[in-house]
Amino acid sequence: GQNIDQPTEMTATEGAIVQINCTYQTSGFNGLFWYQQHAGEAPTFLSYNVLDGLEEKGRFSSFLSRSKGYSYLLLKELQMKDSASYLCAVRDSGYALNFGKGTSLLVTP
Amino acid sequence: TAGITQAPTSQILAAGRSMTLRCTQDMRHNAMYWYRQDLGLGLRLIHYSNTAGTTGKGEVPDGYSVSRANTDDFPLTLASAVPSQTSVYFCASAERGSTDTQYFGPGTRLTVL
Repeated sequence: GQNIDQPTEMTATEGAIVQINCTYQTSGFNGLFWYQQHAGEAPTFLSYNVLDGLEEKGRFSSFLSRSKGYSYLLLKELQMKDSASYLCAVRDSGYALNFGKGTSLLVTP
Repeated sequence: TAGITQAPTSQILAAGRSMTLRCTQDMRHNAMYWYRQDLGLGLRLIHYSNTAGTTGKGEVPDGYSVSRANTDDFPLTLASAVPSQTSVYFCASAERGSTDTQYFGPGTRLTVL
């Protein structure tokens, strides 16, 4: 089975940097995804990691350490529109995505 | 491009009634998925289909059935709805390939009374 943990809530200030952590214990591993979900909307894809290291995409970066079962999503130059839930998801060997419960990020002025 | 669409947007259903949630994608993706999202529980996989003509059970399949007659459509049926099936239902699709990124539809909010 899969066990995916991430903080329930985080608060950060506009213009700052925030790191959202995700730890996982899996019976198989075939990639880790981060999704953003605004209230009342569908999840939208942010990033994908399958090898160790950092993937950078504009203001967002995602890091993976497979040996530690650990990933983080780094958001730089925070904007008010970044207030959303951030979902960590691990894909097992059968292509199914197993989601964490999500981290609700509030960006304050 | 429409991407992936779901219908209805929302529905109130009496317990014991049946209902089919519709999902259609125009991206020619091989794989399609149904999730439910509940407060405090996150997204949970109900059923999936890796390709037209095949389906499989996810984490929470009881009370739900699916079919995949063609590539584009993946309906989810509740044969006899119960209040615990009140949830937001998301359909997703993915193209089989190096990353298999899943793309989500806008969701259906279902209330069973």
